[in-house]
Amino acid sequence: KNEVEQSPQNLTAQEGEFITINCSYSVGISALHWLQQHPGGGIVSLFMLSSGKKKHGRLIATINIQEKHSSLHITASHPRDSAVYICGTETSGSRLTFGEGTQLTVNP
Amino acid sequence: NAGVMQNPRHLVRRRGQEARLRCSPMKGHSHVYWYRQLPEEGLKFMVYLQKENIIDESGMPKERFSAEFPKEGPSILRIQQVVRGDSAAYFCASSPQGANEQYFGPGTRLTVT
Repeated sequence: KNEVEQSPQNLTAQEGEFITINCSYSVGISALHWLQQHPGGGIVSLFMLSSGKKKHGRLIATINIQEKHSSLHITASHPRDSAVYICGTETSGSRLTFGEGTQLTVNP
Repeated sequence: NAGVMQNPRHLVRRRGQEARLRCSPMKGHSHVYWYRQLPEEGLKFMVYLQKENIIDESGMPKERFSAEFPKEGPSILRIQQVVRGDSAAYFCASSPQGANEQYFGPGTRLTVT
């Protein structure tokens, strides 16, 4: 059974800080997804990656397949980045298993 | 290109009634996934469908829940004889094919009274 663990569960930062959210999983996967859930509840897919690193604006996602670990980084954080960030791992058949999420609050 | 659409956005049902949740995938997407998010809990996979086929329903409760994705029209998640424990946000996602980025709909918030 694939266990997905995220850390930290809650994170409070000041505007401008560099933020890292971690995700560890227990079995081999075909891909890892990072999602953002807004305070209103809507979900946006940020990244899907199976190796290396991806960057989109101020967001960077990395994955280490050997270590079974991924990180999501936010540079120059802003209050509008406040949301829940969810890591999801894909094994067979495209089914995703999710972590519990990291609640990020960025204060001005 | 409209995103994934779900309706209704909010649904209130009394215990014992039926709930029907609809999901229209993005244009060109033939793969649909349903997820449930119980209050104060994380997202959980329910079912994965392609047009007219259920590919993986291992996350769906064995009783009262069913899903379909017909050749024409939206995907439907149906919950019969709802109970209070069914109150949750139900999200649908779609992708053009398997093993691809999934695009999420806004969710349907089901409240059972």
